[in-house]
Amino acid sequence: DAKTTQPTSMDCAEGRAANLPCNHSTISGNEYVYWYRQIHSQGPQYIIHGLKNNETNEMASLIITEDRKSSTLILPHATLRDTAVYYCIVWVGSARQLTFGSGTQLTVLP
Amino acid sequence: DTAVSQTPKYLVTQMGNDKSIKCEQNLGHDTMYWYKQDSKKFLKIMFSYNNKELIINETVPNRFSPKSPDKAHLNLHINSLELGDSAVYFCASSQDRRGGYTFGSGTRLTVV
Repeated sequence: DAKTTQPTSMDCAEGRAANLPCNHSTISGNEYVYWYRQIHSQGPQYIIHGLKNNETNEMASLIITEDRKSSTLILPHATLRDTAVYYCIVWVGSARQLTFGSGTQLTVLP
Repeated sequence: DTAVSQTPKYLVTQMGNDKSIKCEQNLGHDTMYWYKQDSKKFLKIMFSYNNKELIINETVPNRFSPKSPDKAHLNLHINSLELGDSAVYFCASSQDRRGGYTFGSGTRLTVV
């Protein structure tokens, strides 16, 4: 599986967009980019995933660069409840499990 | 209805005891997982079952034994508990081993 690199921590003002970057320069053509988050003391929560195209759902948007070597998760209007650790994971269909890295601690400030 | 439910939520026990954690999912998923999150917050896969068949068994002491009576349940039994087993254990499920997992809320195990 391709490895990912994420900043250790980020801050964002409440109501502003939170942009969380992820580098996955060794990603293969059949590997997806998945994003999860873990709010303190809770189980990880699936956010969004994509292969090549940008994706949007009710929670977030995922922007994948054309060369697929990096991506950005966008929370359009961050709230205090979005404070969590965000994990960027590269996953391929033949993988037997999701492998979590250390993620980015996002703190939304009032 | 809770999609993936684990019981108990908290478990405090003495060294040497045997304990079980139960997990049930009502999503109709065919694959279930156990993850361990230690004090450093790293999430590590322990086991995975697909349609009651063990498909992942990472380097975990054989004191840990998963049991899947049916595809909706995956229980974790731990023998001779040690201090180092203290962690949060998460159950998860997915369909067709796809990457969209649904996790339970975790079981915080404390061994004293």
